[in-house]
Amino acid sequence: RKEVEQDPGPFNVPEGATVAFNCTYSNSASQSFFWYRQDCRKEPKLLMSVYSSGNEDGRFTAQLNRASQYISLLIRDSKLSDSATYLCVVNIGYGGSQGNLIFGKGTKLSVKP
Amino acid sequence: DADVTQTPRNRITKTGKRIMLECSQTKGHDRMYWYRQDPGLGLRLIYYSFDVKDINKGEISDGYSVSRQAQAKFSLSLESAIPNQTALYFCATSEPGTGAQETQYFGPGTRLLVL
Repeated sequence: RKEVEQDPGPFNVPEGATVAFNCTYSNSASQSFFWYRQDCRKEPKLLMSVYSSGNEDGRFTAQLNRASQYISLLIRDSKLSDSATYLCVVNIGYGGSQGNLIFGKGTKLSVKP
Repeated sequence: DADVTQTPRNRITKTGKRIMLECSQTKGHDRMYWYRQDPGLGLRLIYYSFDVKDINKGEISDGYSVSRQAQAKFSLSLESAIPNQTALYFCATSEPGTGAQETQYFGPGTRLLVL
């Protein structure tokens, strides 16, 4: 089983739609969780951390379910500028050859006019 | 000015050549990382360094070496480049900590083509 799994998509949605991505992780000792955004041919950038109680940043809401070991990202009122690949990232602590952050392969979102 | 810079941004080289990719940061972070990204495979860790005297192999270190010349500089070398090392290479930095403190800040990437 992969450490961090995501549906690669693409998710093609119209402007204004609500879209949700899920991510599952295998290491139950994982300590912290993040969503990164990566635009085409650009570097990944932190979108938001994910807290146990759930957290919201404008149109973006992140949820963590430790019991089921999954993380979600909800985007409301999608904008054209939301088109990107969204990476689920899990911190497993000092993980030897894995380092400390494990990146999912990403979910591609395309928002259409 | 960018906090994490990488040089060169693009490089074409031939099989068997030795090349070096350089990374510099002005964020004052102790931790630095080298990743490669390939279509469909996501980001994979090559090497990482938690401070100047600490170097650790990542999951795909074979064929690569690194040098941490200073807190601000972390170089990646391909001793004898081969075509399957064609990829997009990212350098990243972070602070030790928890939660958002663990954010990794990425450089703009180096596109490497090995012919």
